[in-house]
Amino acid sequence: EAGVTQSPTHLIKTRGQQATLRCSPISGHTSVYWYQQALGLGLQFLLWYDEGEERNRGNFPPRFSGRQFPNYSSELNVNALELEDSALYLCASSLRAGGAGNTIYFGEGSWLTVV
Amino acid sequence: DAKTTQPNSMESNEEEPVHLPCNHSTISGTDYIHWYRQLPSQGPEYVIHGLTSNVNNRMASLAIAEDRKSSTLILHRATLRDAAVYYCILRDIAGGTSYGKLTFGQGTILTVHP
Repeated sequence: EAGVTQSPTHLIKTRGQQATLRCSPISGHTSVYWYQQALGLGLQFLLWYDEGEERNRGNFPPRFSGRQFPNYSSELNVNALELEDSALYLCASSLRAGGAGNTIYFGEGSWLTVV
Repeated sequence: DAKTTQPNSMESNEEEPVHLPCNHSTISGTDYIHWYRQLPSQGPEYVIHGLTSNVNNRMASLAIAEDRKSSTLILHRATLRDAAVYYCILRDIAGGTSYGKLTFGQGTILTVHP
């Protein structure tokens, strides 16, 4: 069974541009989560989508946005890129976040470099 | 969010057991204890989780204190592939906006010596 898949693996953008990262959850999973891991920093929660709706959002500016599609895949958009947005962006998925202890599984991440 | 405290680093020799501690004195009754590990340049990997009772799976065992204020992840025979950052995380199942949000701390860097 395929795990969480993310694309692209690596992305280089110029400051001020927009970046789009994509994620396909594990089959059957309806919840998708996005995390940011900047160099030397811990994993920071960005967004949680379930059944096409944003359920929770971390402490990030509005230029970080996303959406979840009817097939439960998701994309993360980062507008007006800044140098400090350079990081590993991780997508994760789980069954509907309501079951006791539903496990969250992570993908391998997308490396975004802003120059 | 309930917080966890872990040692910054630990070392072990290959083939020996490893006990990774985690303190979570402010844990609530609806918090599950989850453990993840992360190898360099990879996404976090789920290891194990539990609520009150000790848990075992093919990767590890989780020992939970009776008062649930601490837990220990046990790797029965460490291998070089177990070298990673191990995260102990509390996950609230009660619902609300905090649910679905894993709060990662700094974790424990485990070094395994051959």
